[in-house]
Amino acid sequence: RKEVEQDPGPFNVPEGATVAFNCTYSNSASQSFFWYRQDCRKEPKLLMSVYSSGNEDGRFTAQLNRASQYISLLIRDSKLSDSATYLCVVQGDSSYKLIFGSGTRLLVRP
Amino acid sequence: EAGVAQSPRYKIIEKRQSVAFWCNPISGHATLYWYQQILGQGPKLLIQFQNNGVVDDSQLPKDRFSAERLKGVDSTLKIQPAKLEDSAVYLCASSARLYSYNEQFFGPGTRLTVL
Repeated sequence: RKEVEQDPGPFNVPEGATVAFNCTYSNSASQSFFWYRQDCRKEPKLLMSVYSSGNEDGRFTAQLNRASQYISLLIRDSKLSDSATYLCVVQGDSSYKLIFGSGTRLLVRP
Repeated sequence: EAGVAQSPRYKIIEKRQSVAFWCNPISGHATLYWYQQILGQGPKLLIQFQNNGVVDDSQLPKDRFSAERLKGVDSTLKIQPAKLEDSAVYLCASSARLYSYNEQFFGPGTRLTVL
């Protein structure tokens, strides 16, 4: 079983749509959680951290369910510029190492 | 503020040849990481340095890969000899400190093709 699992997609949605991505992780001792964004042929960049209480940054909302070992990202009012791969990232217990999922690809069409 | 610099951006070699990649992290960042990203996968950590010491190299194929960060600033990653399965993007990242979460900033990567 992979340490971090994501649906690879692609999710093909029209502009203005709401889209949600899910991610599961295997290590119950994981401490920190993040979503990174990676544009085609570019480097990953931090989108947002994910907190137990949930957090929102503009059109983006992240949720964490520690009991189910599940992380989600919700994007509202999708823009063409949101087209990218979204990487779910988990930080290990004592190692501080980041474990990346394989990513979920989002395509927003006009 | 300048970002993480990497060179070369692209490299094509034949199997069994050697190749080296260079990385210069963000100024003042103590922690440096090398990742391998195979097409369709997320980045996988190869090695992690804190200043010039190795913190984690558990996923580095040490029979063919080596890395150093001699003066605690820039770093080189070498593959010798290369195999077909080494074709990937090699990403360097840096962060301010190690023993807490600090955002990792990635360089543009070196795209390696092994023929």
